[in-house]
Amino acid sequence: EAGVAQSPRYKIIEKRQSVAFWCNPISGHATLYWYQQILGQGPKLLIQFQNNGVVDDSQLPKDRFSAERLKGVDSTLKIQPAKLEDSAVYLCASSPDAHREQYFGPGTRLTVT
Amino acid sequence: AQSVTQLGSHVSVSEGALVLLRCNYSSSVPPYLFWYVQYPNQGLQLLLKYTTGATLVKGINGFEAEFKKSETSFHLTKPSAHMSDAAEYFCAVSGGSNYKLTFGKGTLLTVNP
Repeated sequence: EAGVAQSPRYKIIEKRQSVAFWCNPISGHATLYWYQQILGQGPKLLIQFQNNGVVDDSQLPKDRFSAERLKGVDSTLKIQPAKLEDSAVYLCASSPDAHREQYFGPGTRLTVT
Repeated sequence: AQSVTQLGSHVSVSEGALVLLRCNYSSSVPPYLFWYVQYPNQGLQLLLKYTTGATLVKGINGFEAEFKKSETSFHLTKPSAHMSDAAEYFCAVSGGSNYKLTFGKGTLLTVNP
């Protein structure tokens, strides 16, 4: 069974630029999560999707971050404009549903200069 | 609301020695508790989880953890460290079956030959 795929694996941008990350969950998984992991900290949930609907985006900085999950499969997370403090690893995870174990992708390491 | 405190951001042991990584949690509802491992440039992998039932939980790679409600703890142990155990370990809690995870800040385990 293929795992959670993420791309790109690494991205370097200048502040005020925009960036997008892509996630392909495990086939059949209805629940998809995006986490932000700042160096030296644990992952923090940004947004949770159930199929193509948002379940929880309470910690998503909506003035600059957006996410979508069209057709309830792949998802993209966008930052526009980026700030220095957005430098982090962005992890995508998926689960068969919201009451089951989460499986994590390898992450995208973003550096904002 | 829930939170996790991992005592010690860095633990160093000799190969063959006991591994003990400490985790204390706070939760307003009966918690589900998790330990994840993260190798460099990889996503998080579930080591073990406690939901209900037996308080001593065995996981992969010889790790185990014991849920102690009276101490609000879920410490991770392994009798004999191996070089391949060197990684960062995260404790996480969810408020029961909703599986919405709150992570600790992580403990970096170093294994010395």
